[in-house]
Amino acid sequence: NAGVTQTPKFRILKIGQSMTLQCTQDMNHNYMYWYRQDPGMGLKLIYYSVGAGITDKGEVPNGYNVSRSTTEDFPLRLELAAPSQTSVYFCASRVIGTGAPSSGYTFGSGTRLTVV
Amino acid sequence: AQSVTQPDIHITVSEGASLELRCNYSYGATPYLFWYVQSPGQGLQLLLKYFSGDTLVQGIKGFEAEFKRSQSSFNLRKPSVHWSDAAEYFCAVGAKIQGAQKLVFGQGTRLTINP
Repeated sequence: NAGVTQTPKFRILKIGQSMTLQCTQDMNHNYMYWYRQDPGMGLKLIYYSVGAGITDKGEVPNGYNVSRSTTEDFPLRLELAAPSQTSVYFCASRVIGTGAPSSGYTFGSGTRLTVV
Repeated sequence: AQSVTQPDIHITVSEGASLELRCNYSYGATPYLFWYVQSPGQGLQLLLKYFSGDTLVQGIKGFEAEFKRSQSSFNLRKPSVHWSDAAEYFCAVGAKIQGAQKLVFGQGTRLTINP
C-alpha cells in the first residue's frame, strides 16, 4: 500500500515553462487536494476534488489547473510558470463517507518547485 | 470564515523540558482538529486528531492535545522534549466549506531544542 505518491520530488523551471505535478493514491479515496506551502504561511489549498470528474478551486487557484479523470490520479498543471509559484506542493487524499469523516488526511511527500 | 491561529512562530526549549504549542481556531460548527509535524525537507506526519469524545487526545511520539471548546483552542503538549522533536508543527481544522470537507492550516510553529 503506497498511499499518496507525488512525482517529481524536485524540479527547476524557467519562467514561462509549463509542467505537470503528478499525484496518485491507491487507497480508493474520493477526496483529493493540492496544497502549496510557503515559509511562514502554512499550507494553502489550491484545488480539490470530491470525486472523479469533479474539481473545484481552493484558496489560491490562480496560475494552476487540475483534472480528475480517475479516482486514483489528480495532476496539477502549471501552464506559464512564474517565480511566485516557487513553493513546496503537497497532494493529499481522504475518504469521506456519510455522516462523520471516515478517515484522516494522507499526505504525499511533496514536490519542491523552483521557478527561475 | 474558518481560520487557525498559531500565535508562536518560533519556540525554543531545552531538551527534557515540557512543551506547549498553542492553537486557536475559528469555526462555527463542531471542529475536527489535527496536529501535524514536519521535519526539515520532509512531508507532513499526523501526530494526533480530535473528532469527538474525550477532549484529551493522545498521539504518537508522546504528544497529547486538549480540545477546549470554550476557548476555541487545541493546544499540543509534551511533558519532556527530545532533540528529535525539533521540527515545524502545524495545527489544522477540518471544516465543511462551500459544501466540501477541507483542511485549513495555521501558519506553523518552528520548534528548536537546546541541548
